[in-house]
Amino acid sequence: DTAVSQTPKYLVTQMGNDKSIKCEQNLGHDTMYWYKQDSKKFLKIMFSYNNKELIINETVPNRFSPKSPDKAHLNLHINSLELGDSAVYFCASSQDPRPAKTQYFGPGTRLLVL
Amino acid sequence: AQTVTQSQPEMSVQEAETVTLSCTYDTSESDYYLFWYKQPPSRQMILVIRQEAYKQQNATENRFSVNFQKAAKSFSLKISDSQLGDAAMYFCAYRSSNNNDMRFGAGTRLTVKP
Repeated sequence: DTAVSQTPKYLVTQMGNDKSIKCEQNLGHDTMYWYKQDSKKFLKIMFSYNNKELIINETVPNRFSPKSPDKAHLNLHINSLELGDSAVYFCASSQDPRPAKTQYFGPGTRLLVL
Repeated sequence: AQTVTQSQPEMSVQEAETVTLSCTYDTSESDYYLFWYKQPPSRQMILVIRQEAYKQQNATENRFSVNFQKAAKSFSLKISDSQLGDAAMYFCAYRSSNNNDMRFGAGTRLTVKP
């Protein structure tokens, strides 16, 4: 009965590789997000999709490409991984894009680039 | 920049007793949202309670309540009648009304003793 799930939970890979992280929500929400968490626990938004359409695209390297096949899924593909990409990536969803709407977070994916 | 501080890395409480987790934050904004999230060993982030800054009344959700002191920039969580299932990491979080960035505190690990 998990609300927002992410796979994998841990990802260790070499520099230069390409990897994907998957996210699924079963809450019936319209909006999904990807956040990157830095060492100070600050979650910086990367992307947001509403009804499968990209609505937020922050200053993120082109190596990061989100994809939303349907409202319940938002995947994150990263090309040519760099050391600085090491972080915890959180997926979240909300009923709609308004800041007043509570976001529900997945468990995070810990990415380590060697 | 907004910062969120949880000064208690660890707390413990006896089952059925009450415990209060502290959170302070720093912001120059007047309108924002505050949250407490619970992260059990499964690492799923579960929303416990939220508070809109414009509301003076403290939010309550069953056994969970907050003491929101806007002038003091304090947002503590009180858990009454603690249960074994309350054991988890608790994160305080801040969200601006202007964007989707979230800032989390470092977390407080709560242990519930039978």
